[in-house]
Amino acid sequence: SSELTQDPAVSVALGQTVRITCQGDTLRFYYAGWYQQKPGQAPVLVIFGKNNRPSGIPDRFSGSSSGNTASLTISGAQAEDEADYYCNSRANGSNHVVFGGGTKLTVL
Amino acid sequence: QITLKESGPTQVKPTQTLTLTCTFSGFSLLSTGVAVGWMRQPPGKALEWLALVYWDDDKRYSPTLRSRLTITKDTSKNQVVLTMTNMDPVDTATYYCAHRMPQLAPHVTFDSWGQGTLVTVYS
Repeated sequence: SSELTQDPAVSVALGQTVRITCQGDTLRFYYAGWYQQKPGQAPVLVIFGKNNRPSGIPDRFSGSSSGNTASLTISGAQAEDEADYYCNSRANGSNHVVFGGGTKLTVL
Repeated sequence: QITLKESGPTQVKPTQTLTLTCTFSGFSLLSTGVAVGWMRQPPGKALEWLALVYWDDDKRYSPTLRSRLTITKDTSKNQVVLTMTNMDPVDTATYYCAHRMPQLAPHVTFDSWGQGTLVTVYS
């Protein structure tokens, strides 16, 4: 399957650590990209490759992967991290692209 | 600095064809590994990938929308055009174009996105 599955919603207490996951067979072969999207704004890449942050992304954002699951971890979540988070990857066996259904992160 | 901007009609009628243009700067679609993709997002819903055009003119389409989509590039104008035929109210969405990171090939990750353009299909 080329689908990517994410939990619809996750919550975290201010300052605590939260992990957002993305599952799909294609992740055994291809990296996930992680995007943050705030209301009314375009997605912003926060993690790419094995575990890389674009310039300007705080180091509390990190990525990891094991088997068919990629994870985005926010260590010490801040109020401004409240957003929707999407993963994407290349679909295995094709040149198609897939996105996960998104995870709404609430910072309590 | 890479920038992208989508342009096109804000409203179309059912059965009409939608044509959207992505005008970009800061990179060339002649450079190896570069690609530009189109995604959309219905109000309150998830992102959906639509199409991708590579520097070598290889083109890929969403399997579910393939019959309705055409993506083309004009390297002289630094533009990528997406057409979608037979528009329906369910196609109402914000449409985004984005730059694919060539250094991550064969992976597909988009590091720069346009601001998006909302297209409403009304009857």
